[in-house]
Amino acid sequence: LAKTTQPISMDSYEGQEVNITCSHNNIATNDYITWYQQFPSQGPRFIIQGYKTKVTNEVASLFIPADRKSSTLSLPRVSLSDTAVYYCLVAPFNNAGNMLTFGGGTRLMVKP
Amino acid sequence: DTAVSQTPKYLVTQMGNDKSIKCEQNLGHDTMYWYKQDSKKFLKIMFSYNNKELIINETVPNRFSPKSPDKAHLNLHINSLELGDSAVYFCASSQAGTGEKLFFGSGTQLSVL
Repeated sequence: LAKTTQPISMDSYEGQEVNITCSHNNIATNDYITWYQQFPSQGPRFIIQGYKTKVTNEVASLFIPADRKSSTLSLPRVSLSDTAVYYCLVAPFNNAGNMLTFGGGTRLMVKP
Repeated sequence: DTAVSQTPKYLVTQMGNDKSIKCEQNLGHDTMYWYKQDSKKFLKIMFSYNNKELIINETVPNRFSPKSPDKAHLNLHINSLELGDSAVYFCASSQAGTGEKLFFGSGTQLSVL
């Protein structure tokens, strides 16, 4: 499974756009990129998933360049409640029960 | 209805004891997992269980054993608890062919004294 690298932490202010980048240099052709958000005392929850180019939902956007060796999670106009740890995960679309290994995650702190 | 539920939420016990954490998912998923999250927030995969096939992370001590009575349940048994087992344990599930979107339980905070 592709190994991922993310910044350990990031700070932002309310109302700003936050971009968190994940590097996955050995991503395989059949791998998808998925981002999760974890609040304190909760389990991680799915935010967004993509394969290439750009994906947008009501929560975030995911930008994936043509070589797919990295991806960027974009959170528009963050609020204090977006303070959390964000993980990117790279895995095959049909993993068939194999290990899904997370990287260290990025701790986002949103300040007033 | 909670999609992935695990009990108990908190577990405090003495070294050397044996304990279990239960996990149930009502999503109809075919794969379930156990993760361990340490104080530095690293999520470490422990087990993956799919269609009666168990995949074990080789770094997990054999004191840890998952047991699945049926497709919707994957319980975690821990024998001879050690101080280093203190962590938050998360159960998760996913469905093959959906990009392996993981659905996590709310975690069990295990404290070994």
